[in-house]
Amino acid sequence: GNSVTQMEGPVTLSEEAFLTINCTYTATGYPSLFWYVQYPGEGLQLLLKATKADDKGSNKGFEATYRKETTSFHLEKGSVQVSDSAVYFCALSSSSGNTPLVFGKGTRLSVIA
Amino acid sequence: EAGVVQSPRYKIIEKKQPVAFWCNPISGHNTLYWYRQNLGQGPELLIRYENEEAVDDSQLPKDRFSAERLKGVDSTLKIQPAELGDSAVYLCASSAVGVSHNEQFFGPGTRLTVL
Repeated sequence: GNSVTQMEGPVTLSEEAFLTINCTYTATGYPSLFWYVQYPGEGLQLLLKATKADDKGSNKGFEATYRKETTSFHLEKGSVQVSDSAVYFCALSSSSGNTPLVFGKGTRLSVIA
Repeated sequence: EAGVVQSPRYKIIEKKQPVAFWCNPISGHNTLYWYRQNLGQGPELLIRYENEEAVDDSQLPKDRFSAERLKGVDSTLKIQPAELGDSAVYLCASSAVGVSHNEQFFGPGTRLTVL
């Protein structure tokens, strides 16, 4: 079945540091890939997505590139801020229809000033 | 545009008691999902509705969990009786066919604590 593996947290960075959160997946066919973010006390929000190989999703300074050859969708940001402190989830869905998301376990990021 | 609405936000009950959660999806979204998120884990699907039809309930523990989506709009998830292991956050999400490739919008969740 489909699965997502993402790096274990927590990750603690100083403000303006470079961020990478690794995500790899196992899936049949051509899934869509997502990063969701959960800020403290809030619900899950879509951060970015990519629906086919070599697509790059980007939002709020975050980027991730759909790499089919390495089955990866790593999240990166060049300069993190304290306000980026949250839990980040990598997820995938099958390529067809409104199918359920399969999530990784989440990575907690703490950014300190 | 209003987002996905869930209530209650928090619920504390004793084991063996019943509990119900309510979800109102984004207007016009025909697909509704219930997920369960255990502490330190990602959400896992319990059930998916297309309009009023449950099209994927393979992960729903049917001995104690039930769900309904009358009229294909809002939905209720029930647990009866609750067990200690049911403590989790229950998330509702919705999506619309043909819009932004399966982007799901999540509600704030209901945090259930079973004592």
